[in-house]
Amino acid sequence: QSVLTQPPSASGTPGQRVTISCSGSSSNIGSNTANWYQQLPGTAPKLLIYINNQRPSGVPDRFSGSKSGTSASLAISGLQSEDEADYYCAAWDDSLNGVVFGGGTKLTVL
Amino acid sequence: EVQLVESGGGLVQPGGSLRLSCAVSGFNFRSYWMTWVRQAPGKGLEWVANIKQDGSVKRYVDSVKGRFTISRDNAKNSLYLHMTGLRVEDTAVYYCARGETTGYYWGQGTLVTVSS
Repeated sequence: QSVLTQPPSASGTPGQRVTISCSGSSSNIGSNTANWYQQLPGTAPKLLIYINNQRPSGVPDRFSGSKSGTSASLAISGLQSEDEADYYCAAWDDSLNGVVFGGGTKLTVL
Repeated sequence: EVQLVESGGGLVQPGGSLRLSCAVSGFNFRSYWMTWVRQAPGKGLEWVANIKQDGSVKRYVDSVKGRFTISRDNAKNSLYLHMTGLRVEDTAVYYCARGETTGYYWGQGTLVTVSS
């Protein structure tokens, strides 16, 4: 059971907008910033969003992040087939004194 | 170009030991916290440990405390994870990543299999 809660799966058609939620608590997302990672099949995770809504260079602006209270969200607009991957949220947890991850959301592009 | 290359994984029996290495290039290694994250087969990501730039602060997930030791050699641009008392549940791909709480860059991972 992961500390951060994500839906196990999400799906959309090409061109659609999809949102993935990440629910935490006051000790993690509620008091620290959230990050999002994309893991394509058979590859290492890649940073997608950091400090809630910042994109590393090279990440398309189709990807956006937001945070409200103890929850964070990742939105993907203009969905493309290459976006099919696992997506993980993460945040520092003050109580556990470590990074906690969500269980991951498998995104399928129909 | 930033590169993080893990090595040292392999098959080990329960109770055994292994030392993982992460060779870094393309950025000033001594200026950054570094982190180990693992992923069991077919499972999600789990943070394992991180270490401050000068090695003075080390943090671990509870499940590895007392068994794993994170260290670094800034002169060699290298990060290490010394694992002892290995258990079947430690079987995973181990990734090194740059950063304290944000894995800005990741290596390709090295597989550790604990089995008799």
